[in-house]
Amino acid sequence: IVMTQSPATLSVSPGERATLSCRASQSVRSNLAWFQQKPGQAPRLLIYDASTRATGIPARFSASGSGTEFTLTISSLQSEDFVVYYCQQYNDWPPLYTFGQGTKLEIK
Amino acid sequence: QITLKESGPTLVKPTQTLTLTCTFSGFSLTTGGVGVAWIRQPPGKALEWLALIYWDDDKCYSPSLRSRLTITKDTSKSQVVLTMTNMDPVDTATYYCVHSKRIATQTYYFDYWGQGTLVTVSS
Repeated sequence: IVMTQSPATLSVSPGERATLSCRASQSVRSNLAWFQQKPGQAPRLLIYDASTRATGIPARFSASGSGTEFTLTISSLQSEDFVVYYCQQYNDWPPLYTFGQGTKLEIK
Repeated sequence: QITLKESGPTLVKPTQTLTLTCTFSGFSLTTGGVGVAWIRQPPGKALEWLALIYWDDDKCYSPSLRSRLTITKDTSKSQVVLTMTNMDPVDTATYYCVHSKRIATQTYYFDYWGQGTLVTVSS
């Protein structure tokens, strides 16, 4: 399953809303996660099961979708949100976990 | 509190075998529904899943790298070991050890990550 994220780079102003997209080449049902990666750090789980926030993730992060189309929304962007985001499917069996190429969120 | 930490060489030569160890705490790999995965990330590039070992010692590998990978666990030491044979400069990457949790039958997701270890392949 190929995961395609768009756009590759998204320019948004602080305080505004950002919408990131992820598309799967075939249905992954709701077996999708979103990760945030800051420079020099390991990825951090934001969302799993397509829309469930992980422990400790702020409510400004929300996600939706199922099947092949997914969206991560970050409302009221803060300075620390301008980093890279990855989607990842975990639906395949036998397991073949695949990640998108990432979306870099930059300050407009 | 779940923590994982990777250890191993920072530099390997082409054709050599890489051995990485993940030492974890806060969970047991004998507990049902738990796994540990290895994921890598070349500099400036995206993430790539390599292998996963489950609590029941079942294992799965990336098809493209299957012939080069072996994942094992030592539950008494709370460790998972990944070996990768015939290393090449394209294998230069940060290698992460990741805790995996079952959300449904045969469905695991990745939640807690180690800090990662950069491995450079160069002669």
